[in-house]
Amino acid sequence: QSVLTQPPSASGAPGQRVIISCSGTNSNIGSNYVYWYQQIPGAAPRLIIHRNDQRPSGVPDRFSGSRSGTSASLAISGLRSEDEVDYYCASWDNNLSGVIFGGGTKLTVL
Amino acid sequence: EVLLLQSGGGLVQPGGSLRLSCAASGFVFNTYALKWVRQAPGKGLEWVSEISASGTTTYYGDFAKGRFTISRDNSRGTVFLTMTNLRVDDAAIYYCAKGEMRGEPARIDYWGQGVAVTVSS
Repeated sequence: QSVLTQPPSASGAPGQRVIISCSGTNSNIGSNYVYWYQQIPGAAPRLIIHRNDQRPSGVPDRFSGSRSGTSASLAISGLRSEDEVDYYCASWDNNLSGVIFGGGTKLTVL
Repeated sequence: EVLLLQSGGGLVQPGGSLRLSCAASGFVFNTYALKWVRQAPGKGLEWVSEISASGTTTYYGDFAKGRFTISRDNSRGTVFLTMTNLRVDDAAIYYCAKGEMRGEPARIDYWGQGVAVTVSS
């Protein structure tokens, strides 16, 4: 059972905007950075958001992140078919003294 | 270019042991923490362990405590994960990983190719 809670699935039509949520607690999201990873099945994950809302070089600006209190969100605008993969949030947890991942969200582009 | 080349996966019986290795290059090895992340078949990502740049500080997921040991050889640029008393639910792809920034343990910019660990009798 993941300490960070994500919806197992999300969907949107091509060109639309979709938001994936990540809910935590004061010991993780509430006091530490949130990171988002994109994973194509069978491949290693790719970092797409760091420090809550920063995009690494090479990540399109269609991807954006935010954090408010003990929750975080990943927004993907202008949905494309290649966005139809899995997304994970992650943060450090002060109580566990470890990194925790959300359970992952499978995005479907309708 | 940062490269993390893993080896050591395979099939092991329940209760058995296995050591994974990760040979790193493309950065100053002894200045970065390194970590292991795993992914069971059809499941999500799960953080396993992290070791500090010097090797003096280690962190483990609850499931790994007492069974897994992370270590590093800074002279060889290699990090290890020694797994003992393996269980069926330890079966997963294990990734060696590294972040770009020091002090951000949840940040992973580089991943090894992953090795499969199968635990079965």
